[in-house]
Amino acid sequence: DAGVTQSPTHLIKTRGQQVTLRCSPKSGHDTVSWYQQALGQGPQFIFQYYEEEERQRGNFPDRFSGHQFPNYSSELNVNALLLGDSALYLCASSLGGPGRIPRGGYTFGSGTRLTVV
Amino acid sequence: GNSVTQMEGPVTLSEEAFLTINCTYTATGYPSLFWYVQYPGEGLQLLLKATKADDKGSNKGFEATYRKETTSFHLEKGSVQVSDSAVYFCALRFGMEYGNKLVFGAGTILRVKS
Repeated sequence: DAGVTQSPTHLIKTRGQQVTLRCSPKSGHDTVSWYQQALGQGPQFIFQYYEEEERQRGNFPDRFSGHQFPNYSSELNVNALLLGDSALYLCASSLGGPGRIPRGGYTFGSGTRLTVV
Repeated sequence: GNSVTQMEGPVTLSEEAFLTINCTYTATGYPSLFWYVQYPGEGLQLLLKATKADDKGSNKGFEATYRKETTSFHLEKGSVQVSDSAVYFCALRFGMEYGNKLVFGAGTILRVKS
């Protein structure tokens, strides 16, 4: 049973560019959450997608946007990249959306390491 | 606001030593509490959890007890192995009204020497 798949695994971008990260949730999961993990820090919640809509959002600027597709996969887009956006971006999938305690908990992917130069 | 504070690392131990990693939280209400582990180059894996006061979570020899009176959820293991070397994250989660998002501590690096 495939877990959460994220692509690419590593990425280097220049300041001011735009980037798209991708996530395929665990089979049977319908909710995708994105987290940013800066070096030496714990993951910070960016936003959560359920039923193809953003359901809740953390304290991140509008430069961070996302999308969820009918097959539950998701994209994270970051515009006008800053050096401070360099981090590991983690995708976590779960079942049931923000209105339910996720049965089976969350499954995390291995992340995309984004470096902005 | 809601936050999690973990002891700073790295924590360096010899094999078979006793492990404690402290975790305290600040929260309104009664969150669920978790310990996640992150091995090099990998994502987060759930290690154990507790959903109410006095619950004890346990897995792979690790234990943690939800202490409401001290707002703590310290991680312990009686005898660590080299394979336990990883980064450990304490986290909390509120219920449905808060959308089920996880709030993490900064993480504690554990290094176990043979």
